[in-house]
Amino acid sequence: EDKVVQSPLSLVVHEGDTVTLNCSYEVTNFRSLLWYKQEKKAPTFLFMLTSSGIEKKSGRLSSILDKKELFSILNITATQTGDSAVYLCAVDDSGGGADGLTFGKGTHLIIQP
Amino acid sequence: DSGVTQTPKHLITATGQRVTLRCSPRSGDLSVYWYQQSLDQGLQFLIQYYNGEERAKGNILERFSAQQFPDLHSELNLSSLELGDSALYFCASSVSVAAGGSHNEQFFGPGTRLTVL
Repeated sequence: EDKVVQSPLSLVVHEGDTVTLNCSYEVTNFRSLLWYKQEKKAPTFLFMLTSSGIEKKSGRLSSILDKKELFSILNITATQTGDSAVYLCAVDDSGGGADGLTFGKGTHLIIQP
Repeated sequence: DSGVTQTPKHLITATGQRVTLRCSPRSGDLSVYWYQQSLDQGLQFLIQYYNGEERAKGNILERFSAQQFPDLHSELNLSSLELGDSALYFCASSVSVAAGGSHNEQFFGPGTRLTVL
């Protein structure tokens, strides 16, 4: 059975700090790893990672995948209160979206002013 | 706004009842996925449809069923509702299911919050 474990479960930092969120996984046939941000409603797509060692970057957010060690990290620099959310990691193990994603429980990030 | 729409936004009903949740995918997306999110279980995949046909099943109860119509909107039917069915139900869509490994990110709708009393 596919498994996705995120750590920490919860994180409280001050505005301006840098945070690193972790995601480790076990899947039968890995295709891709995805990061989502969930505020009050729907998860919103952040990144999709398919290859090891290639950093994906969007503004202050970046993510990298290590397929050998089976983990990914999501970095957020110069955090802002608007970054407060639950960050979800998910893996796609079947290729082309033929099955649903397997999600971790999420990291609840709180940015204090 | 992801372009995926779901109705209703909130639904409160009693145990034993049946409800239907509706989802319209993004324009051009052929695949629709249903997920259940509860506090203790996190986001759980229920079922996927591609171009009107069931493609994959996850942790979906026999009391639950879904379908995708020719206009690609989808409905999730939940029957004989129990207290434990209270959760957020999300629909997501993606462009396609491509054999051989095209990678398609899924875009989520705003969800339907179901409360069973």
